[in-house]
Amino acid sequence: QKEVEQNSGPLSVPEGAIASLNCTYSDRGSQSFFWYRQYSGKSPELIMFIYSNGDKEDGRFTAQLNKASQYVSLLIRDSQPSDSATYLCAVNEGYSTLTFGKGTMLLVSP
Amino acid sequence: ETGVTQTPRHLVMGMTNKKSLKCEQHLGHNAMYWYKQSAKKPLELMFVYNFKEQTENNSVPSRFSPECPNSSHLFLHLHTLQPEDSALYLCASSQPPGGGYNEQFFGPGTRLTVL
Repeated sequence: QKEVEQNSGPLSVPEGAIASLNCTYSDRGSQSFFWYRQYSGKSPELIMFIYSNGDKEDGRFTAQLNKASQYVSLLIRDSQPSDSATYLCAVNEGYSTLTFGKGTMLLVSP
Repeated sequence: ETGVTQTPRHLVMGMTNKKSLKCEQHLGHNAMYWYKQSAKKPLELMFVYNFKEQTENNSVPSRFSPECPNSSHLFLHLHTLQPEDSALYLCASSQPPGGGYNEQFFGPGTRLTVL
């Protein structure tokens, strides 16, 4: 059974700091990896995806992938209170649907 | 309308009622999904439709009945639900699963309460 593991948190960081969110996955055949942000009471919103080993940067967000270690992370630079949300990691094996983790709650304090 | 829309946004129903949830996507996608999200649980995939054909049913009880008349519309028909079925029901769409590219875009969800 495919599993995606995330620390449920909450992860608390002060405004302006770097928030680091981590995710591990069990299926070595996984090919694509996604980070969704979900505000309380709202639906998940796609913020980043990564397919290749290494880093991918988009504004304040950086996704990092290490397939050998089966590990994917999301860094948020210059964290803002508006970044406070639950971040969901999702993994796709290519010919299958997404498997989601339980999510990590991030709290950014002013 | 853009993206993925869902109606109703909130629904309260009794255990003997019959209701339907509706989802519509305006993204030109060919795959549509129903998810259930309960408190403190990960997203649970319920059904997958690929080019109007159901390709996945994750052991969902028969009191949930999906319908996909075309690639843009998806319904979830509900009957004789239980209180534990109260949750946020999310619809999503994507290009068909495969090839490693499967970004899913979610609708706003229907908050369902079963009394």
